[in-house]
Parts: sequence; C-alpha cells; structure tokens
Amino acid sequence: EPEVTQTPSHQVTQMGQEVILRCVPISNHLYFYWYRQILGQKVEFLVSFYNNEISEKSEIFDDQFSVERPDGSNFTLKIRSTKLEDSAMYFCASSEALSLGRATNEKLFFGSGTQLSVL
Amino acid sequence: AQSVAQPEDQVNVAEGNPLTVKCTYSVSGNPYLFWYVQYPNRGLQFLLKYITGDNLVKGSYGFEAEFNKSQTSFHLKKPSALVSDSALYFCAVRDGRRDDKIIFGKGTRLHILP
Repeated sequence: EPEVTQTPSHQVTQMGQEVILRCVPISNHLYFYWYRQILGQKVEFLVSFYNNEISEKSEIFDDQFSVERPDGSNFTLKIRSTKLEDSAMYFCASSEALSLGRATNEKLFFGSGTQLSVL
Repeated sequence: AQSVAQPEDQVNVAEGNPLTVKCTYSVSGNPYLFWYVQYPNRGLQFLLKYITGDNLVKGSYGFEAEFNKSQTSFHLKKPSALVSDSALYFCAVRDGRRDDKIIFGKGTRLHILP
C-alpha cells in the first residue's frame, strides 16, 4: 500500500529556533493535512491544504506556523520561533479529493510522525 | 464546532472475549464518523467509517462500529479480541455539511490480555 513519509523522525531544537518538518504525501492525493499529538493527549488538527492554499486552519495554527508545497511532491510545516509548548508528535496526512475539491473520500493516510522536542 | 469524547483512557479485555471501545460525538450537521488505530511508532491507520446508510459498519481486522443517532454514539466493537488488537484507538468526526477537517478524540488504549 502507498505510504506517506515524514522526515526527520525526531527533531530536537532550542526554543526560539525555526524548524521545518517535511512530508511526502501519496502521489495522486490532492488534500494534505498536519495534525499534532502532545504526549498523552488527543490528536489535534492544525491545517488542511488544497490547490496550493490553506483550506482550513485551527486556532493553534497562528502566525508562527506556515505550510508550503514547494514542488510537486513535498509538503512542509514551518514553525518560525519554536516554544516549549510546541513539543509534540507532528503527523502529516493526505487524502484523495473526488468531488469538486472536497475530500469526499474520508480515508486519511498518515505518516509515522516527527517527534519535535523544544528545549 | 464538532467534538469527540472517548470516556475511557484504557480498556482491558481477555483474549477471545468481545470488546467495546466507546465514543460519543457532537456536530451541528450530519456526522461523518471514523475509527483509526495507532500501533507503536506508526501513524494512524484507517479502520472504518460511517457516512450514511446501515448503522452497523464493518471495517478492517474484524472490527465493526454501530452508529446510534439518538445517543450520539459510535462505539467500536469486535466479537472476539486478539492479542494483536492491542493498540491505541481513535474515534473521529467530521461535520458532513461544512468543514474539511476531521476532529479526533484523545484515544483509548486497548490492552488484550493473553
């Protein structure tokens, strides 16, 4: 089965530094997502992305966060100035879009995640 | 805004016994409901979904879930648990009339005892 790949698997950074988390979604998928999971807590939605723009974002996704699809395969999440509370497992996901740009196929494919530790 | 509640942090079941993992939801529109499973060091994997139709939906690995509109529940079930079912299970919901995002619950750790 095709997979979503994420790199790196672990990232350690100092508070205030910028980090970029990378994802390669499944090649024929058109909808992309970032979620995060703080240890022992729920999986939180950050942002969805379609047709080279953000389609929806949560209140967590403030001005410190940005996403980009720099080429035909990669999908990145950038945190400009990391805070201690940004420490979490960050998951990328993708899905097909079957009808008028909406993700009517609800099966999300997740990567294995990037564990971000902010010191 | 939609939300999902999984009231149990952990469920312990003896191998061979039936299992239930509970989930309740809240949406303003029609609920699209899902279950995902997470094994150690892996991303979430899709198990099953309810969009419309029969209230009992069947998914991967012998799991099924029952949609109950009056109780706003979507409990995950399996008639006979296997040790290999031990994992973290997430219920999720999307408001079918609006948002693109899928909202996940906090997860329930299922521990099958041999």
